[in-house]
Amino acid sequence: EAGVAQSPRYKIIEKRQSVAFWCNPISGHATLYWYQQILGQGPKLLIQFQNNGVVDDSQLPKDRFSAERLKGVDSTLKIQPAKLEDSAVYLCASSLGTGAYEQYFGPGTRLTVT
Amino acid sequence: GESVGLHLPTLSVQEGDNSIINCAYSNSASDYFIWYKQESGKGPQFIIDIRSNMDKRQGQRVTVLLNKTVKHLSLQIAATQPGDSAVYFCAENVPGSARQLTFGSGTQLTVLP
Repeated sequence: EAGVAQSPRYKIIEKRQSVAFWCNPISGHATLYWYQQILGQGPKLLIQFQNNGVVDDSQLPKDRFSAERLKGVDSTLKIQPAKLEDSAVYLCASSLGTGAYEQYFGPGTRLTVT
Repeated sequence: GESVGLHLPTLSVQEGDNSIINCAYSNSASDYFIWYKQESGKGPQFIIDIRSNMDKRQGQRVTVLLNKTVKHLSLQIAATQPGDSAVYFCAENVPGSARQLTFGSGTQLTVLP
């Protein structure tokens, strides 16, 4: 079974530029999560989708971050404009959905903002 | 808010010895806990989980112990191998949420030859 796919793996941008990350979850997984992981810390949830609907985006900085999952499969996370403090690894995870706690993570995208 | 924390940020063990990684949680309403392993440059990988109606669960070379009285979780790795070197995170469910997890800050395990 293929795992969670993410691209790009690495991205370097200057502050105030925009960037987008892509995630393809495990086939059949209804729930998709985006996390931000700052170096030396655990993953912090940004947004959770159930199919193509947002379940929780309370921790997403909506003035600069946006995410969508239009067809209930792939998802994109965008940052515009980026700040230095956005430098982190952005992880996508998916789970079966209702009743399932176990989340499967992708390899992440390492973002460096200079 | 309440969060999951770890007692030690780093742990070094000799190859072949047993490892014990500890985790304290503060939300007494949490009823599901999970351990993840994260190798450098990779996403977290599931190791083992436990529900609050259990106090011990065993997997292959790993055991998770849950002490609800003191809100403590531990991961035991038997016969630690070089491939076990990684950062280990404990996570707890967020009560009342739609299957969300709160992660601790992690423990770096280094296996010495």
